[in-house]
Parts: sequence; C-alpha cells; structure tokens
Amino acid sequence: EVQLVESGGGLVRPGESLRLSCAASGFTLTTSWMTWVRQSPGRGLEWVATIERRESDKHYVASVEGRFTISRDNAQNSLSLQMNSLRGEDTAVYYCARGGSWGSLDLWGQGTLVTVSA
Amino acid sequence: EIVLAQSPGTLSLSPGERATLSCRASQRIDSSYLSWYQQKPGQAPRLLIYSASSRATALSDRFSGSGPGSGTDFTLTISRLQPEDSAVYFCQHYGDSLYTFGQGTNLEIK
Repeated sequence: EVQLVESGGGLVRPGESLRLSCAASGFTLTTSWMTWVRQSPGRGLEWVATIERRESDKHYVASVEGRFTISRDNAQNSLSLQMNSLRGEDTAVYYCARGGSWGSLDLWGQGTLVTVSA
Repeated sequence: EIVLAQSPGTLSLSPGERATLSCRASQRIDSSYLSWYQQKPGQAPRLLIYSASSRATALSDRFSGSGPGSGTDFTLTISRLQPEDSAVYFCQHYGDSLYTFGQGTNLEIK
C-alpha cells in the first residue's frame, strides 16, 4: 500500500526542538518532491518546506527559514523535519505530502500534532 | 506573493444539488499549477483536481474544475451532491518554489 506515516509530534516549550519523521511505503522517496504542510485553526493550511529529488534543493517558508531543516534518509525511505527554536505560532498539525503532477500534493500522511506552550 | 481567496466561506446545500466553489487569485496565475483538495474532519486533505481541471486518479466525475489558462478566477463544481461530500475544500497554487493555499470553503449537505 502506498502511504505516508508521520511521527514525532508532541508538547514542547518555546525555544525547544523537535524532530518529525515521515515513513514512506509503496514508493521510493527519492523519486518525488516531498513537502511538509502544517494546519492550525488560526492559520489554515500553510506550506512549510519542500525537498526536491536532488537533496541539495530545499525550500522553506520565510517564517521557518533558519530554524527548520527538511531532510531525507534514503536508506530508511523516510522524510524528516528538524524544528529548532520553536515558537507558539508553530503549533499545528504537521503533514508530510508527496509532490504530484503540476505542483499538486497527491499523497498525504495522517498528520502529527505539535504543540508549543509554556 | 500570491494570495488565494475562496468563496463562499460556508455553503449549505441539499443532496442532489450542485455546488459551485470559487477560488480567486490576487494576480494572474498559470492554471497548470492550480489544484483542489477535500478535507473531512480528522482527516488529511485529499487531492481532487490538479492543473485546474484534471481529476485525480479514481475521482468521481461528479467533481470538475474549470478556469482560464491564465487568469484569476477558478471554480470547483460538485454535481449531484451526496452526504459524503460534506467537507472543507481548499484550492492551492504552486509557483516560484512555494505552495499557497486558500482558506477553504466549508460545504454542508443538509
């Protein structure tokens, strides 16, 4: 079965770090662009980061640039998001998603909740 | 940065009716990079339409997307509404290495 499964969410304090993982099955991550999208009640769906097929090509939304790092473990066929210096506004459900045709996101994980609160 | 505005915010219709959802971009966009998603409570978004009018694999033909090759106004139409169509629908654009989402339209089936 083709699927994505996220893990690693939780409750952290402002300034702390968290690492999210996304395990892929049924396809090889290196053949696709992979993206993290987050969703919170106040901010809706927000793109966070993308890694292209070439690992050196990564893109981030301005609000996480320098704090978050997207990466891929080809041996484990998994995607990660290292989140440092977390802020309250980073609180959201984080989804990993596969890039599809023409800039669409054709496969999504179930999401993992990150809560940043003192 | 492109902003996508969706309307209406909430749409309440009866089974069998047709729903028309709008997505307006703050500037002209290439329709090739305009997608639509459905999200039900507690679930992840699901791709419905890409390139403004191409259906995702196995999607019912009750769902259709339209819009100009290059423009600002795009539409998702759902015909013969069924109770399971109750969901929030989002439009999304890709360009300049970033993704932008609309705020969503909540479709209620009475």
